[in-house]
This record gives sequence, structure tokens and C-alpha cells, in this order.
Amino acid sequence: AQSVTQLGSHVSVSEGALVLLRCNYSSSVPPYLFWYVQYPNQGLQLLLKYTTGATLVKGINGFEAEFKKSETSFHLTKPSAHMSDAAEYFCACLNTGNQFYFGTGTSLTVIP
Amino acid sequence: ETGVTQSPTHLIKTRGQQVTLRCSSQSGHNTVSWYQQALGQGPQFIFQYYREEENGRGNFPPRFSGLQFPNYSSELNVNALELDDSALYLCASSAGQGANLGANVLTFGAGSRLTVL
Repeated sequence: AQSVTQLGSHVSVSEGALVLLRCNYSSSVPPYLFWYVQYPNQGLQLLLKYTTGATLVKGINGFEAEFKKSETSFHLTKPSAHMSDAAEYFCACLNTGNQFYFGTGTSLTVIP
Repeated sequence: ETGVTQSPTHLIKTRGQQVTLRCSSQSGHNTVSWYQQALGQGPQFIFQYYREEENGRGNFPPRFSGLQFPNYSSELNVNALELDDSALYLCASSAGQGANLGANVLTFGAGSRLTVL
């Protein structure tokens, strides 16, 4: 079975500091992995995805994630946090049945 | 290109009632999925529709049902509402079946927030 686990339900960083949101996957086959962001009272928006090829994936708004098979991880990073980054972030995987499974989410707070 | 639209945005029902939520998929997308997002939780997969047929279902009881129409729009119906059904219901469309699995991306609507009293 394929699933993702997000470590840390709440993360706080200072404006300008590094953002690191953690996601580990459990899969018996190479997974397709995604990060989505959800702003208050809105749906989810795709930040980036990993399917095949380059393990460092760049997304929108300066975010990137690195697929590390040896660590079964797909952590999301951004070098310098901005106030507008405050939101809920979800890691997700796509199984071979074309169904998405989401983690429980990490709420990012950016402190001025 | 229009995105995914959902209606209504908010609604309040009482226990035992029935509710229908609607979703228009993004242009060019043939697959619609529905998710339940309880407060403070990640979206939970309810079911998926492709070519008007259910094509995958999560761990939800039969009182959760759906339809997909020829224009790929969709409805989610919930019968005999329970208090725990209170949640944000998200619809997402994708290129789905027939598309390269690795290219599959969900496009979400803003959701319908259901409160059951």
C-alpha cells in the first residue's frame, strides 16, 4: 500500500528563514509524489510534483523538493520564507489505481 | 481555461437529511474525484468517476454516492447525514484515465463546506 506521512503538524519560521516541511512515503513501487498548498477557505493548489527523472524538483513560489529513495523522503524546502507562505501544506502520493492519498498536513506560520 | 467550480460554497443541514453537492470539472479533464476534509485533517478520498462510472472508492459507506454526467461534471450525494459528515468537500478533476499516469495532476475546486447540526 502506498501512503505518506508528514512529520510535524505545525511549523513556525521567521520571515527570511529556511522553510523545511517533512514528508516520508511508504511504497513498494517508485511513487509519484506531490506537494499541495491550501490557503484559508480555498481549495488545494499544486506546488510541485515528482514522477520520474531528476530527483530535485522545483515548483512555484520558490519551493523545491528532493526525492530521496534511500530515505523514502520527499521534503519540501524554501530558502527564505515570506509572509505570504503561511498556509497549510499537504504531501500526497498517487497510486497505480490513479488515486491520490494525502498526508495530514503541516500548518506553516511565518513570524515577522 | 476555466477551473473547477463547486456549489454551494456553504450549507447547513440537520441529521438525517440528504445533501447534493455539485462540481464542474476543468476543461479537458475527464475524471472527477471527491474528497472529504475534516477540520484539521488532510483530504480523504471518497471516490472517483471516469466516463460516468465509479472508478475507485475510499473507505466511505454506501450512503455516499455520486454521479458523473456526459459533460464530465459531477454530483456527490450524502444520505442520512450524521454529525461527523460536517467537513469541507473538495472536488478535483484530472486528465485521469488515458493520460500518462505520471502526468496526472489534480485541479481542485474551492470546496463546499457542509455543517450538520
